[in-house]
Amino acid sequence: EDQVTQSPEALRLQEGESSSLNCSYTVSGLRGLFWYRQDPGKGPEFLFTLYSAGEEKEKERLKATLTKKESFLHITAPKPEDSATYLCAVLSGSARQLTFGSGTQLTVLP
Amino acid sequence: EPEVTQTPSHQVTQMGQEVILRCVPISNHLYFYWYRQILGQKVEFLVSFYNNEISEKSEIFDDQFSVERPDGSNFTLKIRSTKLEDSAMYFCASSDSETQYFGPGTRLLVL
Repeated sequence: EDQVTQSPEALRLQEGESSSLNCSYTVSGLRGLFWYRQDPGKGPEFLFTLYSAGEEKEKERLKATLTKKESFLHITAPKPEDSATYLCAVLSGSARQLTFGSGTQLTVLP
Repeated sequence: EPEVTQTPSHQVTQMGQEVILRCVPISNHLYFYWYRQILGQKVEFLVSFYNNEISEKSEIFDDQFSVERPDGSNFTLKIRSTKLEDSAMYFCASSDSETQYFGPGTRLLVL
């Protein structure tokens, strides 16, 4: 059974204070690892797809990296509008169902 | 930019009643999904749908649930006899490859 664990559960940063969110996974045959942003009461908003160890993707202040056991979402010089819950999810084998982690609730203080 | 849409945004129903949640997937996508998120919990997979049939379903997706693509644009989730524990956010998603794009959700409250 696929497992996805995210840490920390919650993170408070000052505006401009860079940090990283972690997503550890246990799957049989990773087909893709996904990062989503979720605002309260909204649906997950797609950020990145990573397919293989060593891959990196960037978008504005966010950078996602992937190893064989975990993924990191690096946030550089965050702003208050980056406050949200960041979700990690995996696809494995031939399945099409995403397995989600519990998320990291990020709060960026002005 | 194309997006997944869902209606209604909120639905309140009495236990035992039937509800239908509606979704319009992104137009050129071929795979459709329903997920749910109980308040404070993880997003959970319910069902995937491809080529007019269910391709995968989870243990949650029992006989009370059904999905349908009644026309070329809509994708629906029906819960036949709602239970209190069906209260959750229900998300529709669609994809043309591995990446799934989610709708804004329907908040279902069963009283």
